[in-house]
Amino acid sequence: GAVVSQHPSRVICKSGTSVKIECRSLDFQATTMFWYRQFPKQSLMLMATSNEGSKATYEQGVEKDKFLINHASLTLSTLTVTSAHPEDSSFYICSARAERGWDEQYFGPGTRLTVT
Amino acid sequence: EDKVVQSPLSLVVHEGDTVTLNCSYEVTNFRSLLWYKQEKKAPTFLFMLTSSGIEKKSGRLSSILDKKELFSILNITATQTGDSAVYLCAGGQNFVFGPGTRLSVLP
Repeated sequence: GAVVSQHPSRVICKSGTSVKIECRSLDFQATTMFWYRQFPKQSLMLMATSNEGSKATYEQGVEKDKFLINHASLTLSTLTVTSAHPEDSSFYICSARAERGWDEQYFGPGTRLTVT
Repeated sequence: EDKVVQSPLSLVVHEGDTVTLNCSYEVTNFRSLLWYKQEKKAPTFLFMLTSSGIEKKSGRLSSILDKKELFSILNITATQTGDSAVYLCAGGQNFVFGPGTRLSVLP
């Protein structure tokens, strides 16, 4: 149980375009989903936390107008990188937490974004 | 601001050695500390620790939390080459991650 999927696993896009990444909890309902970004040989950096049905909470330094997060249902959250630039190239990972008070979070396999 | 520190940042050992990885934290609204193993892709869950002094064990891996001193350790005994990975700990309300310890186990 507790499987999280991400789609796509890899995407290449041109500068100026937008890219949407989906994160789904497959066998549980995720009240909270987290979006992380990871550069090579670095740790995970939390970008934002989203709760189903409410606006995402962004970490300091993360532009909310650039990284749009929508947690429309208990099994789906999306991250849209708008007007992508090469410096947005990174590994984006989502995770999901099943219910309030249960702290285990399960990670999706990640999406590698390359902006050319 | 929540902060999680790990040491050492990297470690090279030989198969059969025992290693101890450290994680210290300063976080608000502490509820649990989590350990993950990351190989090529996304992290995989190892342990969740909520109470001081209670060791959690899974095979050759074990972990314990000290809430008074705000740290946790992850032990791996009889290491194998398959244990080579980055080990991450995370804590705080929104799971701030430490920088990770890169463990390399040589044959």
